[in-house]
Amino acid sequence: SQQGEEDPQALSIQEGENATMNCSYKTSINNLQWYRQNSGRGLVHLILIRSNEREKHSGRLRVTLDTSKKSSSLLITASRAADTASYFCARSERYIIQGAQKLVFGQGTRLTINP
Amino acid sequence: SQTIHQWPATLVQPVGSPLSLECTVEGTSNPNLYWYRQAAGRGLQLLFYSVGIGQISSEVPQNLSASRPQDRQFILSSKKLLLSDSGFYLCAWSVGGLGYRGLGSTEAFFGQGTRLTVV
Repeated sequence: SQQGEEDPQALSIQEGENATMNCSYKTSINNLQWYRQNSGRGLVHLILIRSNEREKHSGRLRVTLDTSKKSSSLLITASRAADTASYFCARSERYIIQGAQKLVFGQGTRLTINP
Repeated sequence: SQTIHQWPATLVQPVGSPLSLECTVEGTSNPNLYWYRQAAGRGLQLLFYSVGIGQISSEVPQNLSASRPQDRQFILSSKKLLLSDSGFYLCAWSVGGLGYRGLGSTEAFFGQGTRLTVV
């Protein structure tokens, strides 16, 4: 399969709690990216972490990358109802053609924040 | 600023009919262009990518084809739709050429998607 593995497939928490989603992969990567998708919409890029980085922050988002374990996690702190969406990790693999990248997406985690 | 347009938003087509979905990008040159398909409740499957006019690579064998007649135009087509072609189709672009640090690896920007139902 092209796709990586994400867990959990679905996560439901109370507003204000932290949400953690995990992503694993099998191949070597240039970088790993996290995207958000509201129901029936396109994907929006959240954060990109390069293969030589271990942790990255953006607002309430914290992403870690462990290349030895081929895994990444996305932490959303102090969750809000508006964070309800599906979250996808995508690994960037190089194509033979210079300048091209192949973004391979995981199955996603459906996050529900209960008010 | 860059924008991506994808249309139509929804489409209902009978089995055996042709398909043409169009995607255009504004505000950038020589982008990498992608077509993805998303089944209900699933991740995205990469169908085609293109690094330049007339340069199309297919990721999976299928009933679909793609063309790039202009630098910022990407078209997904089929001569005869199958029921299994139903799904949510997403066009995306990323910075082409050398990209970030020469690796060509940058974030992707997605269109709003086309919900295709083959009946």
